[in-house]
Amino acid sequence: GAGVSQSPRYKVAKRGQDVALRCDPISGHVSLFWYQQALGQGPEFLTYFQNEAQLDKSGLPSDRFFAERPEGSVSTLKIQRTQQEDSAVYLCASSLSGNFNEQFFGPGTRLTVL
Amino acid sequence: AQKITQTQPGMFVQEKEAVTLDCTYDTSDPSYGLFWYKQPSSGEMIFLIYQGSYDQQNATEGRYSLNFQKARKSANLVISASQLGDSAMYFCAMREDRGSTLGRLYFGRGTQLTVWP
Repeated sequence: GAGVSQSPRYKVAKRGQDVALRCDPISGHVSLFWYQQALGQGPEFLTYFQNEAQLDKSGLPSDRFFAERPEGSVSTLKIQRTQQEDSAVYLCASSLSGNFNEQFFGPGTRLTVL
Repeated sequence: AQKITQTQPGMFVQEKEAVTLDCTYDTSDPSYGLFWYKQPSSGEMIFLIYQGSYDQQNATEGRYSLNFQKARKSANLVISASQLGDSAMYFCAMREDRGSTLGRLYFGRGTQLTVWP
């Protein structure tokens, strides 16, 4: 596709459920980022992949959060045993390797934990 | 300490007028990049403009320009000839080019711009 796509766009989960959020970056983009955006806040960095390698996961808030990108394209962010404070918009962004002058963002997945 | 500070929670401007959105940043890295993104109510982040720390001239993209004052560590966004469609949340962001944080963006809290007719 032409841009970064994410699915689902909306997800409602009961507290304690596991969720999986998918990101399809722009074709050929080596770098992929996940951000979390709480209501009324700016996005906060979660994790970064270069191809299939997860080079930085320092922003993941707890060990309930796990991300993977096994083939260096599609990425999945998994949240286990969701809690209410996990409610946020999860944004995925991609950029060309070696070119960080622009990160292209997807539309985000809005997660609501009841 | 906050890496990006946006002190204006909300701004109002009349259509066709210019508006400046403030942004200050904090870094000890000599090489960094500054970004502005627009986020309409639909939620997607739209890239507007980029300024590298070593760029000699202020960046411009159509109606957007970035007023880069390195000594003051400010990177204000100027929107000329505002349009109703410019109403959105605007985020300033920074990327540091060294160390383990390579590539990640630090965002401010945003400024909600409202353009009125």
